[in-house]
Amino acid sequence: DAMVIQNPRYQVTQFGKPVTLSCSQTLNHNVMYWYQQKSSQAPKLLFHYYDKDFNNEADTPDNFQSRRPNTSFCFLDIRSPGLGDAAMYLCATSRSGGGPSYNEQFFGPGTRLTVL
Amino acid sequence: AQKVTQAQTEISVVEKEDVTLDCVYETRDTTYYLFWYKQPPSGELVFLIRRNSFDEQNEISGRYSWNFQKSTSSFNFTITASQVVDSAVYFCALSAANFGNEKLTFGTGTRLTIIP
Repeated sequence: DAMVIQNPRYQVTQFGKPVTLSCSQTLNHNVMYWYQQKSSQAPKLLFHYYDKDFNNEADTPDNFQSRRPNTSFCFLDIRSPGLGDAAMYLCATSRSGGGPSYNEQFFGPGTRLTVL
Repeated sequence: AQKVTQAQTEISVVEKEDVTLDCVYETRDTTYYLFWYKQPPSGELVFLIRRNSFDEQNEISGRYSWNFQKSTSSFNFTITASQVVDSAVYFCALSAANFGNEKLTFGTGTRLTIIP
């Protein structure tokens, strides 16, 4: 089945130690998103790629970076994780351009990040 | 600016009861999309429905139904004959319908607990 895959599902890192989360998709969607979701809160959009164009949210800290080497893969890099960065990180994809399922975001299972 | 309000933080009902989750939104866009997502304990956000602002017809899918009322800016979700598997956090979300601007604005979510 076509899907959004996130690895790892659980990630433990140390304070200040860089970490990379990965997302891949088999849906061939042109838009990919990264969300941060803290406990009992709504998902918060960090940034998204519209094709190769990177779109950063205004309040996303510089500590968070992203790479999209091709249509299928997208990475979230946290350069120096702090205790406040512990959260669930959700990757999502969508298809732009109209038609059925347009704008419907498909989410991966998430990566739960723990910062020690 | 867009805003989604889910005033009910937590709801508990006994199995087989009907339950309605409220969603009120604010937007200046004339065309927009509304969504409901389910987030079970596993963490993955599961798409339930997308509704275009031009389509005010109510929709029923099995035990789920949605009532969209543009006049009151509400998009409420009803589960009929609730089941324990319906226990989850439910998010209402809103996005513009402009190509390249399909970001989701989430409500804060309603935690639904179905008591056996």
